[in-house]
Amino acid sequence: QKEVEQDPGPLSVPEGAIVSLNCTYSNSAFQYFMWYRQYSRKGPELLMYTYSSGNKEDGRFTAQVDKSSKYISLFIRDSQPSDSATYLCAMSSNSGGSNYKLTFGKGTLLTVNP
Amino acid sequence: DSGVTQTPKHLITATGQRVTLRCSPRSGDLSVYWYQQSLDQGLQFLIQYYNGEERAKGNILERFSAQQFPDLHSELNLSSLELGDSALYFCASSLTASPSNEQFFGPGTRLTVL
Repeated sequence: QKEVEQDPGPLSVPEGAIVSLNCTYSNSAFQYFMWYRQYSRKGPELLMYTYSSGNKEDGRFTAQVDKSSKYISLFIRDSQPSDSATYLCAMSSNSGGSNYKLTFGKGTLLTVNP
Repeated sequence: DSGVTQTPKHLITATGQRVTLRCSPRSGDLSVYWYQQSLDQGLQFLIQYYNGEERAKGNILERFSAQQFPDLHSELNLSSLELGDSALYFCASSLTASPSNEQFFGPGTRLTVL
């Protein structure tokens, strides 16, 4: 079993739709949870960051972490064509050494159609 | 623009050759990370340096090595190249080595091994 599982999609939605992206993980030591957005031929950029469990909202984006289920989600409201990108979940622990490394999901390719 | 620069943007070489990828972190960032992104494996952490010292190691092959110089720029050396080494190589930087610090990714170097 991979440490982080993410449905690769692709996911295609109409403009204005609510998008739900998800990852599951197996390492209970993970404490830091992130969502990165990667446009084609570009480097990933941090979209949302959450420490431990709970919800975080930033504009049209909401990140949720459920540590009991080892499940994280990213919701995009009122999706726009400019949201079309690959979304990568990432996580790390804080137990030091190599555990500081980010472990990424494989990414979900999202297309928002005008 | 993340402030992280990587050179070259593209590199085409033959099997058995050796190449060097270069990364300049954002001004003020002390930690540098190297990642490999391929279609089948996704984004994989290779190695981290903090203020010139190796801090964490991921799935880095013995044919690969890296270093961080006193001016904080970093180089990733790939030797005895194989077809399977063809991938996007990203460098990221952060203020410190803590997982709570955001990692800023560069634009990547696309390596093609023929």
